[in-house]
Amino acid sequence: QVQLKESGPGLVQPSETLSLTCTVSGFSLTSYSVSWVRQPSGKGPEWMGRMWYDGDTAYNSALKSRLSISRDTSKNQVFLKMNSLQTDDTGTYYCTRDRLSVVPYYYVMDAWGQGASVTVSS
Amino acid sequence: DTVLTQSPALAVSPGERVTISCRASESVSTLMHWYQQKPGQQPKLLIYLASHLESGVPARFSGSGSGTDFTLTIDPVEADDTATYYCQQSWNDPPTFGGGTKLELK
Repeated sequence: QVQLKESGPGLVQPSETLSLTCTVSGFSLTSYSVSWVRQPSGKGPEWMGRMWYDGDTAYNSALKSRLSISRDTSKNQVFLKMNSLQTDDTGTYYCTRDRLSVVPYYYVMDAWGQGASVTVSS
Repeated sequence: DTVLTQSPALAVSPGERVTISCRASESVSTLMHWYQQKPGQQPKLLIYLASHLESGVPARFSGSGSGTDFTLTIDPVEADDTATYYCQQSWNDPPTFGGGTKLELK
């Protein structure tokens, strides 16, 4: 059974760094990519970045200067770090499993964690 | 970035057919996907590649479209379908989502 679970602090001070962990089970991080997606309350989701199955990373250019994604395959974990947080970074943060097809080429977020609620406030 | 535009809300009666639209600001070929999000839950994949039904999703859900115009159809609508529906494209980087269409049942 495919599962993803986000964990991390619910409250972050403005200008500080957010650190989240995504722990996965039911699939291998060397076979599937994992994305981070965030969603402000009442708004549509925003893709933040991806840890590819081969260890490469991709970032949304709007967040690239503040964002870092890494992994520990031995622990089945993917990490997100984002610095210089502001109040508009408040929302729910999800990790997703990305299903990749080569022919035709596409990827789709086919499983989502339950989400981690993050509030940026002093 | 590719902007995806959805109507904000729809209200239908159970048993009816509903069509939810999504328009892209530029062509995304058929790399459009649809998600359902119920209150307090994470999004769930319904349709991928514009028209392919994800495993385990009821056949009441279907999708169509290519280029810039896409639709998600639910026929017939059931009470459990109350949710917000999001389209998402993966043709252009970065992948982007629509603002969502909230489906309410009368």
